[in-house]
Amino acid sequence: DAGVTQSPTHLIKTRGQQVTLRCSPKSGHDTVSWYQQALGQGPQFIFQYYEEEERQRGNFPDRFSGHQFPNYSSELNVNALLLGDSALYLCASSTLAGAFSYEQYFGPGTRLTVT
Amino acid sequence: QKEVEQDPGPLSVPEGAIVSLNCTYSNSAFQYFMWYRQYSRKGPELLMYTYSSGNKEDGRFTAQVDKSSKYISLFIRDSQPSDSATYLCAMSVTGGSEKLVFGKGTKLTVNP
Repeated sequence: DAGVTQSPTHLIKTRGQQVTLRCSPKSGHDTVSWYQQALGQGPQFIFQYYEEEERQRGNFPDRFSGHQFPNYSSELNVNALLLGDSALYLCASSTLAGAFSYEQYFGPGTRLTVT
Repeated sequence: QKEVEQDPGPLSVPEGAIVSLNCTYSNSAFQYFMWYRQYSRKGPELLMYTYSSGNKEDGRFTAQVDKSSKYISLFIRDSQPSDSATYLCAMSVTGGSEKLVFGKGTKLTVNP
């Protein structure tokens, strides 16, 4: 059973560019959350997608947007990149359907460097 | 004041030592408390999960929650070099798939 997968593993972008990160949730999961983890910090919640809609959003600007596809995979888009956007971007999957599940499974992350 | 405070360490202990990791929080609405372990260049993995106050034990790991003091702890007994990682506390109000609020993480090294 494949866990949460993310692509690419790492990438380097220039200030002002746009980037798209991808996530495939664990089999059986229908909810995808995105977190940003700056160096030496804990993950910070960006937003969550369920049934192809944004369900919750953290304190991030509109430059951060996302999408969820019918197969539950998700994309995180960041426009007009800033140096401060350099971080590890984590995807976590879970399920809102069926029995209560407290665990959010995290992927290995995408390390984004903005120069 | 941040919602969740965690001493980032680093913490270095000899193999076999008892390790104590702690977090404090300010949001009294938090009811679900988790500890995640994150190895270098990996995503966090859930270690322990506790609802409301009390203790929970799983092998060498014990999680404690004191809601009156807004204080949670993770104890690791008989620590092993393989326990070397960053430990993150996380909390949520309603549990389940709700957003998690994390501490900064404490970097632990267990020396053989």
